[in-house]
Amino acid sequence: GAVVSQHPSWVICKSGTSVKIECRSLDFQATTMFWYRQFPKQSLMLMATSNEGSKATYEQGVEKDKFLINHASLTLSTLTVTSAHPEDSSFYICSAMEGSNYGYTFGSGTRLTVV
Amino acid sequence: QKEVEQDPGPLSVPEGAIVSLNCTYSNSAFQYFMWYRQYSRKGPELLMYTYSSGNKEDGRFTAQVDKSSKYISLFIRDSQPSDSATYLCAMSADFNKFYFGSGTKLNVKP
Repeated sequence: GAVVSQHPSWVICKSGTSVKIECRSLDFQATTMFWYRQFPKQSLMLMATSNEGSKATYEQGVEKDKFLINHASLTLSTLTVTSAHPEDSSFYICSAMEGSNYGYTFGSGTRLTVV
Repeated sequence: QKEVEQDPGPLSVPEGAIVSLNCTYSNSAFQYFMWYRQYSRKGPELLMYTYSSGNKEDGRFTAQVDKSSKYISLFIRDSQPSDSATYLCAMSADFNKFYFGSGTKLNVKP
């Protein structure tokens, strides 16, 4: 089945630094990938839709200059959290759809802790 | 009002019990419905996918959609300790944007 690899699984960074999270579709091409953020006991929140070769579409309230998304190839999308602050600490998850009309495959998530 | 409402639990049941997980929603345009299972510190894993109303069965899992009541359910028969996880419902009107419930934490005790 479709596999989405997300890296790193967890990262601790200092406040003010930037962190890059990678999301790769391993055995299929994904023209569209999605980035979510999950707070404890809350819904997955869609942050942005990443389209290969074009600018990402951000959801209302998500700062595009803070959360930089690059989808340079059909198998790789990256999310960069710039100038991270403790309130950015969260669980970030990416997903992609293989192409069949059967739901989305999620990465394993990245736990970001900003200290 | 949230688009999707889901009781966060936790729900604790003995091994072998039948588990019922539910979500309600407000948008009558939703027609794609999914259930995901998420283990701690992992990404969600698709369990069931249904389109429009009706039932769908896959092994020990049964998904039900009642569009007239805006209510969906996931039933787990003969629950196992390995079923202990958080279960998320998700739904969409056009498969372009999904709305997730907050997840129900399930604990199946041996």
